[in-house]
Amino acid sequence: DAGVIQSPRHEVTEMGQEVTLRCKPISGHDYLFWYRQTMMRGLELLIYFNNNVPIDDSGMPEDRFSAKMPNASFSTLKIQPSEPRDSAVYFCASSTWTGAGNTIYFGEGSWLTVV
Amino acid sequence: QQQVKQSPQSLIVQKGGISIINCAYENTAFDYFPWYQQFPGKGPALLIAIRPDVSEKKEGRFTISFNKSAKQFSLHIMDSQPGDSATYFCAASILTGGGNKLTFGTGTQLKVEL
Repeated sequence: DAGVIQSPRHEVTEMGQEVTLRCKPISGHDYLFWYRQTMMRGLELLIYFNNNVPIDDSGMPEDRFSAKMPNASFSTLKIQPSEPRDSAVYFCASSTWTGAGNTIYFGEGSWLTVV
Repeated sequence: QQQVKQSPQSLIVQKGGISIINCAYENTAFDYFPWYQQFPGKGPALLIAIRPDVSEKKEGRFTISFNKSAKQFSLHIMDSQPGDSATYFCAASILTGGGNKLTFGTGTQLKVEL
Protein backbone atom coordinates (compact mmCIF):
# COMPACT_ATOMS: atom_id res chain seq x y z
CA ASP A 1 0.00 0.00 0.00
CA ALA A 2 1.16 3.54 -0.74
CA GLY A 3 0.39 4.81 2.74
CA VAL A 4 -1.31 8.09 3.60
CA ILE A 5 -0.61 10.61 0.86
CA GLN A 6 -0.58 14.33 1.58
CA SER A 7 -0.20 17.32 -0.68
CA PRO A 8 1.36 19.75 -0.94
CA ARG A 9 4.46 18.68 1.00
CA HIS A 10 5.58 22.27 1.39
CA GLU A 11 3.69 25.52 1.01
CA VAL A 12 4.66 29.10 1.61
CA THR A 13 1.84 31.58 1.45
CA GLU A 14 1.14 35.15 2.38
CA MET A 15 -0.99 36.15 5.31
CA GLY A 16 -4.63 36.41 4.34
CA GLN A 17 -4.46 33.84 1.59
CA GLU A 18 -6.50 30.65 1.52
CA VAL A 19 -4.63 27.41 2.08
CA THR A 20 -5.96 23.98 1.17
CA LEU A 21 -4.21 20.84 2.33
CA ARG A 22 -5.16 17.50 0.83
CA CYS A 23 -5.09 13.94 2.05
CA LYS A 24 -5.66 10.50 0.58
CA PRO A 25 -6.02 7.91 3.36
CA ILE A 26 -4.98 4.30 3.11
CA SER A 27 -7.53 2.37 1.10
CA GLY A 28 -10.01 0.59 3.35
CA HIS A 29 -9.39 2.79 6.37
CA ASP A 30 -12.56 4.27 7.82
CA TYR A 31 -11.01 6.73 10.28
CA LEU A 32 -9.23 9.88 9.16
CA PHE A 33 -7.43 12.33 11.44
CA TRP A 34 -5.90 15.76 10.97
CA TYR A 35 -3.10 16.68 13.38
CA ARG A 36 -1.00 19.82 13.68
CA GLN A 37 2.58 19.81 14.97
CA THR A 38 4.43 22.85 16.31
CA MET A 39 7.40 23.26 18.60
CA MET A 40 5.29 25.08 21.15
CA ARG A 41 2.22 22.85 21.26
CA GLY A 42 3.50 19.50 20.00
CA LEU A 43 1.08 17.20 18.19
CA GLU A 44 -2.52 18.32 18.45
CA LEU A 45 -5.58 16.57 17.08
CA LEU A 46 -7.65 19.02 15.06
CA ILE A 47 -10.50 16.85 13.81
CA TYR A 48 -11.31 13.26 12.98
CA PHE A 49 -13.80 11.54 10.70
CA ASN A 50 -15.38 8.11 10.77
CA ASN A 51 -16.90 6.86 7.52
CA ASN A 52 -16.56 10.39 6.08
CA VAL A 53 -18.55 11.95 8.94
CA PRO A 54 -16.84 14.43 11.29
CA ILE A 55 -16.92 12.94 14.78
CA ASP A 56 -14.90 15.37 16.88
CA ASP A 57 -13.79 18.81 15.73
CA SER A 58 -13.10 20.21 19.20
CA GLY A 59 -9.45 20.69 18.32
CA MET A 60 -10.10 23.00 15.40
CA PRO A 61 -8.59 26.27 16.61
CA GLU A 62 -11.14 28.68 15.18
CA ASP A 63 -13.60 29.33 12.40
CA ARG A 64 -10.81 30.04 9.94
CA PHE A 65 -10.20 26.29 9.87
CA SER A 66 -12.52 23.86 8.13
CA ALA A 67 -12.21 20.23 7.07
CA LYS A 68 -14.20 18.09 4.71
CA MET A 69 -14.26 14.48 3.66
CA PRO A 70 -16.45 14.20 0.55
CA ASN A 71 -15.61 10.51 0.04
CA ALA A 72 -13.65 7.66 1.57
CA SER A 73 -10.49 8.44 -0.38
CA PHE A 74 -10.13 12.19 0.01
CA SER A 75 -10.11 14.87 2.67
CA THR A 76 -9.18 18.54 2.79
CA LEU A 77 -8.17 20.93 5.53
CA LYS A 78 -8.72 24.55 4.63
CA ILE A 79 -7.47 27.69 6.34
CA GLN A 80 -9.08 30.95 5.26
CA PRO A 81 -7.68 33.51 5.86
CA SER A 82 -4.28 32.19 6.88
CA GLU A 83 -2.18 33.87 9.58
CA PRO A 84 1.52 33.56 10.49
CA ARG A 85 0.61 31.64 13.66
CA ASP A 86 -0.84 28.89 11.47
CA SER A 87 2.68 27.99 10.36
CA ALA A 88 3.13 24.34 11.33
CA VAL A 89 3.35 20.83 9.98
CA TYR A 90 -0.09 19.40 9.31
CA PHE A 91 -0.39 15.63 9.38
CA CYS A 92 -3.16 13.51 8.02
CA ALA A 93 -3.53 10.01 9.43
CA SER A 94 -5.86 7.09 8.91
CA SER A 95 -6.80 3.86 10.63
CA THR A 96 -9.24 1.00 10.80
CA TRP A 97 -10.06 -1.76 13.24
CA THR A 98 -8.32 -5.08 12.66
CA GLY A 99 -7.77 -8.12 14.81
CA ALA A 100 -4.62 -6.46 16.10
CA GLY A 101 -6.34 -3.24 17.12
CA ASN A 102 -6.58 0.21 15.60
CA THR A 103 -3.17 1.43 14.47
CA ILE A 104 -3.00 5.00 13.21
CA TYR A 105 -0.79 5.56 10.18
CA PHE A 106 0.52 9.06 9.51
CA GLY A 107 1.37 10.73 6.24
CA GLU A 108 4.61 12.63 5.80
CA GLY A 109 2.99 15.95 6.53
CA SER A 110 2.36 19.27 4.82
CA TRP A 111 4.83 21.93 5.93
CA LEU A 112 3.01 25.27 5.95
CA THR A 113 4.71 28.63 6.29
CA VAL A 114 2.57 31.76 6.38
CA VAL A 115 4.53 34.98 5.92
CA GLN B 1 -4.95 20.55 30.23
CA GLN B 2 -1.97 18.35 29.45
CA GLN B 3 -3.22 14.82 29.90
CA VAL B 4 0.04 13.04 29.03
CA LYS B 5 3.30 14.29 30.50
CA GLN B 6 6.56 13.09 28.96
CA SER B 7 10.14 13.31 30.16
CA PRO B 8 12.92 13.97 29.50
CA GLN B 9 12.66 16.52 26.71
CA SER B 10 15.99 15.36 25.30
CA LEU B 11 18.30 12.45 25.91
CA ILE B 12 21.82 11.58 24.86
CA VAL B 13 22.88 7.94 25.14
CA GLN B 14 26.04 6.16 24.16
CA LYS B 15 25.86 3.41 21.55
CA GLY B 16 24.96 0.16 23.26
CA GLY B 17 23.39 1.88 26.25
CA ILE B 18 19.80 1.86 27.48
CA SER B 19 17.48 4.72 26.61
CA ILE B 20 14.58 5.31 28.99
CA ILE B 21 11.69 7.68 28.35
CA ASN B 22 8.88 8.16 30.83
CA CYS B 23 5.26 9.21 30.55
CA ALA B 24 2.48 9.84 33.02
CA TYR B 25 -1.20 10.19 32.31
CA GLU B 26 -4.17 11.58 34.19
CA ASN B 27 -7.27 10.14 32.57
CA THR B 28 -8.00 6.70 34.04
CA ALA B 29 -10.28 5.95 31.10
CA PHE B 30 -7.28 5.65 28.77
CA ASP B 31 -6.88 2.04 27.66
CA TYR B 32 -4.31 2.16 24.89
CA PHE B 33 -0.75 3.44 25.22
CA PRO B 34 1.36 3.56 22.04
CA TRP B 35 4.81 4.93 21.41
CA TYR B 36 5.55 6.66 18.13
CA GLN B 37 8.93 7.28 16.53
CA GLN B 38 9.48 10.28 14.28
CA PHE B 39 12.48 10.97 12.07
CA PRO B 40 13.14 14.49 10.73
CA GLY B 41 10.88 15.33 7.82
CA LYS B 42 8.70 12.30 8.35
CA GLY B 43 5.41 11.56 10.05
CA PRO B 44 5.23 9.68 13.34
CA ALA B 45 5.23 5.90 13.00
CA LEU B 46 3.95 3.39 15.53
CA LEU B 47 6.80 1.68 17.36
CA ILE B 48 5.10 -0.39 20.04
CA ALA B 49 1.88 -0.24 22.04
CA ILE B 50 0.42 -1.70 25.23
CA ARG B 51 -3.00 -2.23 26.76
CA PRO B 52 -3.48 -1.86 30.54
CA ASP B 53 -4.10 -5.55 31.14
CA VAL B 54 -0.36 -6.30 30.95
CA SER B 55 2.58 -4.72 32.76
CA GLU B 56 5.21 -5.18 30.08
CA LYS B 57 5.49 -5.70 26.36
CA LYS B 58 8.67 -6.39 24.48
CA GLU B 59 9.37 -6.22 20.78
CA GLY B 60 12.98 -6.72 19.86
CA ARG B 61 15.08 -4.06 21.58
CA PHE B 62 12.01 -2.03 22.56
CA THR B 63 10.09 -2.62 25.81
CA ILE B 64 7.12 -0.82 27.31
CA SER B 65 6.72 -1.00 31.08
CA PHE B 66 3.28 -0.10 32.38
CA ASN B 67 2.26 0.77 35.94
CA LYS B 68 -1.50 1.16 36.11
CA SER B 69 -1.68 2.18 39.78
CA ALA B 70 0.89 4.93 39.29
CA LYS B 71 -0.59 5.91 35.91
CA GLN B 72 2.85 5.75 34.35
CA PHE B 73 4.45 3.97 31.43
CA SER B 74 7.90 4.02 29.97
CA LEU B 75 9.83 3.04 26.86
CA HIS B 76 13.14 1.24 27.20
CA ILE B 77 15.44 0.92 24.22
CA MET B 78 18.09 -1.70 24.84
CA ASP B 79 21.43 -1.68 23.03
CA SER B 80 20.68 1.77 21.62
CA GLN B 81 22.01 2.41 18.12
CA PRO B 82 22.72 5.61 16.18
CA GLY B 83 19.82 4.69 13.89
CA ASP B 84 17.51 5.02 16.90
CA SER B 85 18.22 8.76 16.99
CA ALA B 86 14.78 10.30 16.53
CA THR B 87 11.97 11.97 18.44
CA TYR B 88 9.82 9.63 20.49
CA PHE B 89 6.25 10.40 21.49
CA CYS B 90 4.15 8.57 24.00
CA ALA B 91 0.42 8.74 23.56
CA ALA B 92 -2.79 7.56 25.15
CA SER B 93 -6.33 7.04 24.00
CA ILE B 94 -9.64 5.47 24.80
CA LEU B 95 -9.65 2.65 22.31
CA THR B 96 -12.75 0.82 23.46
CA GLY B 97 -15.93 2.00 21.82
CA GLY B 98 -14.83 3.36 18.53
CA GLY B 99 -12.17 5.73 17.34
CA ASN B 100 -8.60 6.00 18.47
CA LYS B 101 -8.29 9.65 19.46
CA LEU B 102 -4.65 9.90 20.51
CA THR B 103 -3.40 12.43 23.05
CA PHE B 104 0.34 12.83 22.61
CA GLY B 105 3.11 13.66 25.04
CA THR B 106 5.45 16.51 24.20
CA GLY B 107 8.16 14.31 22.72
CA THR B 108 11.72 13.28 23.59
CA GLN B 109 14.62 13.93 21.23
CA LEU B 110 16.95 10.97 21.49
CA LYS B 111 20.49 11.12 20.23
CA VAL B 112 22.61 8.00 20.29
CA GLU B 113 26.31 8.77 20.07
CA LEU B 114 29.06 6.50 18.84
